[in-house]
Amino acid sequence: SQTIHQWPATLVQPVGSPLSLECTVEGTSNPNLYWYRQAAGRGLQLLFYSVGIGQISSEVPQNLSASRPQDRQFILSSKKLLLSDSGFYLCAWSVGGTAYGYTFGSGTRLTVV
Amino acid sequence: KQEVTQIPAALSVPEGENLVLNCSFTDSAIYNLQWFRQDPGKGLTSLLLIQSSQREQTSGRLNASLDKSSGRSTLYIAASQPGDSATYLCAVRFSGYALNFGKGTSLLVTP
Repeated sequence: SQTIHQWPATLVQPVGSPLSLECTVEGTSNPNLYWYRQAAGRGLQLLFYSVGIGQISSEVPQNLSASRPQDRQFILSSKKLLLSDSGFYLCAWSVGGTAYGYTFGSGTRLTVV
Repeated sequence: KQEVTQIPAALSVPEGENLVLNCSFTDSAIYNLQWFRQDPGKGLTSLLLIQSSQREQTSGRLNASLDKSSGRSTLYIAASQPGDSATYLCAVRFSGYALNFGKGTSLLVTP
């Protein structure tokens, strides 16, 4: 069966520090991968998605970047965190096509202080 | 702009009641619609996926309907239990790869 792993679960980082959040998927090949952010009082916002190794699409301009170095690995990064980067970050995967839904990871709670 | 709206934002019911959560979306050209459950501080758990060609899906005490022409979906929960307390999110895939989420309905079922 397919599983998705996200880590760390919780992170407190000072303003200006770098960030690296990792997501891996098991049990499937060539998944579509996504990073979403859920800020307090707001809905989930798609940040990045990837349909293959090295292919990254950004949905919103921001202080973050994403990379996909391996088929089932998706990394969210920042060189210098801002207070506004605080939030709940969720990784998700889906198979290609429109007949399938999304599966989400357990999320990372990021607090920038 | 493609938007998803959920009403009500919060709902409190006594145990045993049947309840309906509403979701509306602005564009009838959708690929699919997915209902999720989110417990506090946790990730999203998929409840039901409805394809654009389907009218409803059922899983246990949950039933979700889809009316594309009116841009509406409802999630029906039968015989609610305290364990159903959570935030319920409606998400629509209009086009491309993104899921567009509503802000959710926070449900509290009291014993």
